[in-house]
Amino acid sequence: GENVEQHPSTLSVQEGDSAVIKCTYSDSASNYFPWYKQELGKGPQLIIDIRSNVGEKKDQRIAVTLNKTAKHFSLHITETQPEDSAVYFCAANDYKLSFGAGTTVTVRA
Amino acid sequence: EPEVTQTPSHQVTQMGQEVILRCVPISNHLYFYWYRQILGQKVEFLVSFYNNEISEKSEIFDDQFSVERPDGSNFTLKIRSTKLEDSAMYFCASSGQGVDGYTFGSGTRLTVV
Repeated sequence: GENVEQHPSTLSVQEGDSAVIKCTYSDSASNYFPWYKQELGKGPQLIIDIRSNVGEKKDQRIAVTLNKTAKHFSLHITETQPEDSAVYFCAANDYKLSFGAGTTVTVRA
Repeated sequence: EPEVTQTPSHQVTQMGQEVILRCVPISNHLYFYWYRQILGQKVEFLVSFYNNEISEKSEIFDDQFSVERPDGSNFTLKIRSTKLEDSAMYFCASSGQGVDGYTFGSGTRLTVV
């Protein structure tokens, strides 16, 4: 089955700086790579996703890149704000979603 | 925006008791899922359901677990005899064709005492 590794586990950034989270996956058949933001006591909320036929996707301050050859994908958050503080999960889909272990992002004001 | 609704938000149960967690998926979705998240750990796949039958299940989804879509709107997860280690957040999700519109509910926090 799919195995998703996510790094780092914690990330502290100064407000206004960029944050980068990286994930690798094992199953070359995976073709959908979503990123979720989870705030305390809530379910995962989709923030951006990318499919295997695209190398990069951007939505305002958030971007995701995908390297299918190397089987890794990354989340980039620019101009971070305090409300970006949360746990972020990457996932890969080979029919069901396999999640990474999560990254706790703290944006320091 | 369409939502996946889960009830209850928090359930406390005695060890050995049966619990039913309820979900109302997005109305035109075809695929339904249950996931589990033990406190501080990653979200883990339990089971997927399509066309009124289980399409895939994980090792976690043993004989103590069952799912049902009793009518056109509800999707339930039953745990027959709860154990302490079943304590977790349980998330329901649904999607349209394949992964289109994959949406999670807010979860049910199950506490087994």
